[in-house]
Amino acid sequence: SAVISQKPSRDICQRGTSLTIQCQVDSQVTMMFWYRQQPGQSLTLIATANQGSEATYESGFVIDKFPISRPNLTFSTLTVSNMSPEDSSIYLCSVAASGVSPLHFGNGTRLTVT
Amino acid sequence: ELKVEQNPLFLSMQEGKNYTIYCNYSTTSDRLYWYRQDPGKSLESLFVLLSNGAVKQEGRLMASLDTKARLSTLHITAAVHDLSATYFCAVDTGTASKLTFGTGTRLQVTL
Repeated sequence: SAVISQKPSRDICQRGTSLTIQCQVDSQVTMMFWYRQQPGQSLTLIATANQGSEATYESGFVIDKFPISRPNLTFSTLTVSNMSPEDSSIYLCSVAASGVSPLHFGNGTRLTVT
Repeated sequence: ELKVEQNPLFLSMQEGKNYTIYCNYSTTSDRLYWYRQDPGKSLESLFVLLSNGAVKQEGRLMASLDTKARLSTLHITAAVHDLSATYFCAVDTGTASKLTFGTGTRLQVTL
């Protein structure tokens, strides 16, 4: 399965600032997604990162708050903009090799906003 | 909107006992996945169930899928402490591998 490197692994940020999270995969993948896991909760899909085009956002998530880039088939970034304490969560990059294969997840970025 | 519910949300069981975690979902799907998450860690894929009646087993865990009942089960046989983790089911919405995750079941196996 794909090896996914996510950076940073954790960060503590001040309210009103932005953080960009990077996701690097060791092989080309068709599908790449960004999920959020709030403390003690399940995972919620933020968006599908589309190679060479704008990301597809789920209900409740907007591009101005969570801009995403995917310049090629092995790399994506998620930015959490104008952060508030409510953005404190684990952000997870995930990839799938095909339409039926399971998602594989990076180790996540644990974000704390103070 | 697809809803995926698991029960129980928390399960404390003794080593050596058997138990079943249930995953119910609200719309038609024939692709369901089970994941394990250890505290502070990412998610590990356990099972991929791709059709009605599918059954997969790995060690002390066995997963099954009934698409007509919109139900999947994760059965634990003779639990051991190493199985303590949070278990998530996730349903494929049918759109390019987008998964909707269940609420999670936190399993604690005690000696």
